[in-house]
Amino acid sequence: DTGVSQDPRHKITKRGQNVTFRCDPISEHNRLYWYRQTLGQGPEFLTYFQNEAQLEKSRLLSDRFSAERPKGSFSTLEIQRTEQGDSAMYLCASSLRTDSPLHFGNGTRLTVT
Amino acid sequence: GQQLNQSPQSMFIQEGEDVSMNCTSSSIFNTWLWYKQDPGEGPVLLIALYKAGELTSNGRLTAQFGITRKDSFLNISASIPSDVGIYFCAGGREKLTFGTGTRLTIIP
Repeated sequence: DTGVSQDPRHKITKRGQNVTFRCDPISEHNRLYWYRQTLGQGPEFLTYFQNEAQLEKSRLLSDRFSAERPKGSFSTLEIQRTEQGDSAMYLCASSLRTDSPLHFGNGTRLTVT
Repeated sequence: GQQLNQSPQSMFIQEGEDVSMNCTSSSIFNTWLWYKQDPGEGPVLLIALYKAGELTSNGRLTAQFGITRKDSFLNISASIPSDVGIYFCAGGREKLTFGTGTRLTIIP
């Protein structure tokens, strides 16, 4: 399967803990995106990369969130000092170039207890 | 954050019926996309539209990019059980703005 891959699929953590998610984009896609989706809503943009450069961050991405794409391939999204409001599905997507449509992975569902 | 207005919110139809849903925005978009999402899965791209007035088909699905660039429509013909799910419109390019979703249910 050559789609966008995300790991883990599910994560349960206690409030205050740090968590890290990984995303492997479709091979040769140089753009990678992170979105967050809460129950009953559509996904909301968090940030995106072109190769290793982070080009834009949403206001939703507080100081506790950091995303990296060190070698322009896979990406990680870290949330520090998790809060219950961070519970959501975190979706990664990739695209081949600027005008190409986004292809999403199956997400990481985070539950903060 | 901003979400596009999708209607209807939910639909209950019988197998074989045609389905229509639409999406409106207060802002202009240069790209409109339609995705389908099943429970516990990520959104799957159905159709991408790049030009105002464009009408594009993908099997039984047909989508249109509104002339004003502030709306888009999706039609599904002769619905089948696997069409069940939530349909999202999205406008934009890298920074997609998604709709609120239309939940499609097929009544046996």
